[in-house]
Amino acid sequence: DTGVSQNPRHKITKRGQNVTFRCDPISEHNRLYWYRQTLGQGPEFLTYFQNEAQLEKSRLLSDRFSAERPKGSFSTLEIQRTEQGDSAMYLCASLGGVPPYNEQFFGPGTRLTVL
Amino acid sequence: GDSVTQMEGPVTLSEEAFLTINCTYTATGYPSLFWYVQYPGEGLQLLLKATKADDKGSNKGFEATYRKETTSFHLEKGSVQVSDSAVYFCALSPDGWDGQNFVFGPGTRLSVLP
Repeated sequence: DTGVSQNPRHKITKRGQNVTFRCDPISEHNRLYWYRQTLGQGPEFLTYFQNEAQLEKSRLLSDRFSAERPKGSFSTLEIQRTEQGDSAMYLCASLGGVPPYNEQFFGPGTRLTVL
Repeated sequence: GDSVTQMEGPVTLSEEAFLTINCTYTATGYPSLFWYVQYPGEGLQLLLKATKADDKGSNKGFEATYRKETTSFHLEKGSVQVSDSAVYFCALSPDGWDGQNFVFGPGTRLSVLP
């Protein structure tokens, strides 16, 4: 197991374009999280899944954002009609086992730059 | 709501200096507390954690003690190395956490000079 992976690592796009990111969690981890991290800030929660069910969405997740985890394994995060304010690092994390839970395991992130 | 406050950076130290990064939190009950580290170009890695009052988390020479009376979880290291240069995040998971989101502080950048 090589940990949480994210692709692409970097994405540069023009304003108004759609982008999609992928996260592959640690095998058999049933929970998967998406965070956004802007420069000089800590990660901000966007949404999380337990298996294929999306259980919680932050108010930061506008209607231009959509996340899926169709088979309870990898997840995708799509941003439609990108805006310059969407420029950030998008982090994925996974968590497995049963309560009491411990740490989340983070991927390396996808850095999005919107021109 | 729950929140985490950290000392502002950047913090610049010479090698072998003593490090303290302050972290205080606001939360109900007994949250679990964490320090994560982010090296350049990488994701976040768990550095240490404490799950109840007076617990001390330690790893790689770093230590932090969960102080309920002062709602603090300050990170310390007796002798820093150049390789410790990174961004450090204090975080909490709420009391009775069942796997919902963490709350992160804004991070403190540490630069250690040779």
